[in-house]
Amino acid sequence: GNSVTQMEGPVTLSEEAFLTINCTYTATGYPSLFWYVQYPGEGLQLLLKATKADDKGSNKGFEATYRKETTSFHLEKGSVQVSDSAVYFCALSEIGGANSKLTFGKGITLSVRP
Amino acid sequence: KAGVTQTPRYLIKTRGQQVTLSCSPISGHRSVSWYQQTPGQGLQFLFEYFSETQRNKGNFPGRFSGRQFSNSRSEMNVSTLELGDSALYLCASSLGAGGGSYEQYFGPGTRLTVT
Repeated sequence: GNSVTQMEGPVTLSEEAFLTINCTYTATGYPSLFWYVQYPGEGLQLLLKATKADDKGSNKGFEATYRKETTSFHLEKGSVQVSDSAVYFCALSEIGGANSKLTFGKGITLSVRP
Repeated sequence: KAGVTQTPRYLIKTRGQQVTLSCSPISGHRSVSWYQQTPGQGLQFLFEYFSETQRNKGNFPGRFSGRQFSNSRSEMNVSTLELGDSALYLCASSLGAGGGSYEQYFGPGTRLTVT
């Protein structure tokens, strides 16, 4: 079956530091890949996505590249802000299926200190 | 445009009781999915409905059920509650059903506590 593995957390960084959150996946088919963010007390928000190999998703300074050869979708940001403190989830969904099921990683909590 | 709304936001129930949670999708969205979020298991898929039909079901016992109405609003029901059912239940809606083709928008969730 499908699965997503994220690096262990939590992660604490100083403002303006570089961020990398690792994500690897296992899929029977050819999935779409997503990063979702969850702020305290809220639901999930789509941060970025990529639907095919070598696609780069980007939003709000965050980037992730779909690497089929390494089955990875690592999230990066060059300079984090305090407002980026949240829980980040990597997820996949199978392309071409008749349903929208998302398979999530465990999530990682990011804390950014001023 | 209003987002996905879930009611109630918080709920406390006793073991053995049953509970019904409601989800109103974004106007025009026809697909609704439900997820359970717990600290131990993370986010797990419960089921998805599209045009009043269940399209997919996760690995949960039969105590968990759902339905979708003609206006796309969805409800999920949990019968004979157990302590382990305490979780944040998230609803997501999308225009259509199909992996990766339609962005899913999540509601704020219903926090269920079973005592």
